[in-house]
Amino acid sequence: ETGVTQSPTHLIKTRGQQVTLRCSSQSGHNTVSWYQQALGQGPQFIFQYYREEENGRGNFPPRFSGLQFPNYSSELNVNALELDDSALYLCASSLAIGEGSPLHFGNGTRLTVT
Amino acid sequence: RKEVEQDPGPFNVPEGATVAFNCTYSNSASQSFFWYRQDCRKEPKLLMSVYSSGNEDGRFTAQLNRASQYISLLIRDSKLSDSATYLCVVNDPEYGNKLVFGAGTILRVKS
Repeated sequence: ETGVTQSPTHLIKTRGQQVTLRCSSQSGHNTVSWYQQALGQGPQFIFQYYREEENGRGNFPPRFSGLQFPNYSSELNVNALELDDSALYLCASSLAIGEGSPLHFGNGTRLTVT
Repeated sequence: RKEVEQDPGPFNVPEGATVAFNCTYSNSASQSFFWYRQDCRKEPKLLMSVYSSGNEDGRFTAQLNRASQYISLLIRDSKLSDSATYLCVVNDPEYGNKLVFGAGTILRVKS
């Protein structure tokens, strides 16, 4: 059973709005990564947080931003939503940032932008 | 060229069949390799890590060929419950455990 929890499960927003997605990492995990998965595609890396600092970012515009809190939970914020932002947003936690650390995903938040 | 490439399938096989998926990756410096399984509208779940010497977990066998930058997954005695999308995953060496996912291979096992 995954220890990573995400909220909300589903969300519908209008183009131009802002959204905040939340993630609680698995107990003991200090690294959180966010991925976007469009229909029929593999997950795409948005960014990763380690000990409250951003530790790498994928090819996403600045309107995608994030935070990690002292308890290692995390938020993903998206401003000025576009139709193409409709996707499954996955949060994953891991024990460390080193190689060989697999990611454990939450159930995801399914965002629909109309 | 995509960082991780997979045949999208679908692979339609009968129960009990053996099926193999392949995957190629572009960055020769990648050091960590995984197969994830994703059921429809669910999150990806780690199926197995892939080690240089090859490794087996029950009906599943993973192989790595570093020279050819190629990873494979073999499923023996397929079950209906094996129907899913299988994602090939490698790490981005610049970021440790930033993982790069392929688009997935769809497997459908039929009775």
